[in-house]
Amino acid sequence: TQLLEQSPQFLSIQEGENLTVYCNSSSVFSSLQWYRQEPGEGPVLLVTVVTGGEVKKLKRLTFQFGDARKDSSLHITAAQPGDTGLYLCAGEELTGANNLFFGTGTRLTVIP
Amino acid sequence: DAGVTQSPTHLIKTRGQQVTLRCSPKSGHDTVSWYQQALGQGPQFIFQYYEEEERQRGNFPDRFSGHQFPNYSSELNVNALLLGDSALYLCASSLVGRGGINTQYFGPGTRLTVL
Repeated sequence: TQLLEQSPQFLSIQEGENLTVYCNSSSVFSSLQWYRQEPGEGPVLLVTVVTGGEVKKLKRLTFQFGDARKDSSLHITAAQPGDTGLYLCAGEELTGANNLFFGTGTRLTVIP
Repeated sequence: DAGVTQSPTHLIKTRGQQVTLRCSPKSGHDTVSWYQQALGQGPQFIFQYYEEEERQRGNFPDRFSGHQFPNYSSELNVNALLLGDSALYLCASSLVGRGGINTQYFGPGTRLTVL
């Protein structure tokens, strides 16, 4: 069973602060996806990273895929209350099986 | 362009009953995956349907079954419901291409409560 661990599990910060969320595994993935989920809703895709060492930026969000494709990080600059939500990382197996293994999630609260 | 849709939004059942959840994939997608998300946890893969057949299955008992129709929509059936089946059930669709990234798009989910 693939296991993706996210840290921290909970994070509460003030508006304007920076933060980093980590997603780690002992397994290698062909791709890794980051989602944000609001209460009672489905996860919304933020980004997909594929190449080891790849860095993608989405406005104030920066995503990085580890060189060995086992880990990833999400960095948010100048957090805003609208960033509040559950952040999930999900890895796709090397077999190309197309099912995703999700991390445990990081619940972020940005206080105005 | 409609995204992934699921019905019903909420459902309350009692132990031992059976339930059917429905999903329509994003336009142009041919693959549907189902996930179970318990409160406070990440989604867990149940199974995936492609070309009307179950292509992969996660670690879920046979009480969980599914179906995919020619129009790519899908159903998830759960028999003999247990209290532990209470969760948000998510459907995700994707397009199986000839290599490349198979990004999955999720529906809003069906919240199932078993009493």
